[in-house]
Amino acid sequence: ILNVEQSPQSLHVQEGDSTNFTCSFPSSNFYALHWYRWETAKSPEALFVMTLNGDEKKKGRISATLNTKEGYSYLYIKGSQPEDSATYLCAFEGNKLVFGAGTILRVKS
Amino acid sequence: DTGVSQNPRHKITKRGQNVTFRCDPISEHNRLYWYRQTLGQGPEFLTYFQNEAQLEKSRLLSDRFSAERPKGSFSTLEIQRTEQGDSAMYLCASSTPRDSYEQYFGPGTRLTVT
Repeated sequence: ILNVEQSPQSLHVQEGDSTNFTCSFPSSNFYALHWYRWETAKSPEALFVMTLNGDEKKKGRISATLNTKEGYSYLYIKGSQPEDSATYLCAFEGNKLVFGAGTILRVKS
Repeated sequence: DTGVSQNPRHKITKRGQNVTFRCDPISEHNRLYWYRQTLGQGPEFLTYFQNEAQLEKSRLLSDRFSAERPKGSFSTLEIQRTEQGDSAMYLCASSTPRDSYEQYFGPGTRLTVT
């Protein structure tokens, strides 16, 4: 059974704080690692798809890194804003997507 | 709006009733996926279609669940004789080879079985 773990489970930060989350996944049969942001009552939105060991991707204040050999990815948010409040999901892609349980981020203004 | 749409957004039903959900994928996306998400968990794969062919089904998909994609466009997910354990968010996603099969999600249908 594939196990994708995310930590922490939830996080409450102040506006302006920088934060990071972890996703750990199996290091075998790896094809891609996906990060999604899921706001309440909306569709999960793709943030990044990462395929190569050492990949680093950035979109505005959000960035992610990938280590396929040790099986982890970090998502960083610099200068958190209230609109960053959402659940952040990672998904391991082998022959299908296997999701972690997500990290719930709440940013207080 | 050209995204993935799902209907209804919310469904409340009594135990034992049948329910059907619909997913309209992004036009020309040939792959369509169904997932189920329960409280505190990430989405779990249920099944996927390539065009009208159902290529894979999870063991989570009991005999009471059936999915169809008759013309390779929209899909329906039916749950017969609903149980309280079926209460969950049902998500649909679609993808295309042009985007390296990156999956685009709909907003989901939240099912509550009372």
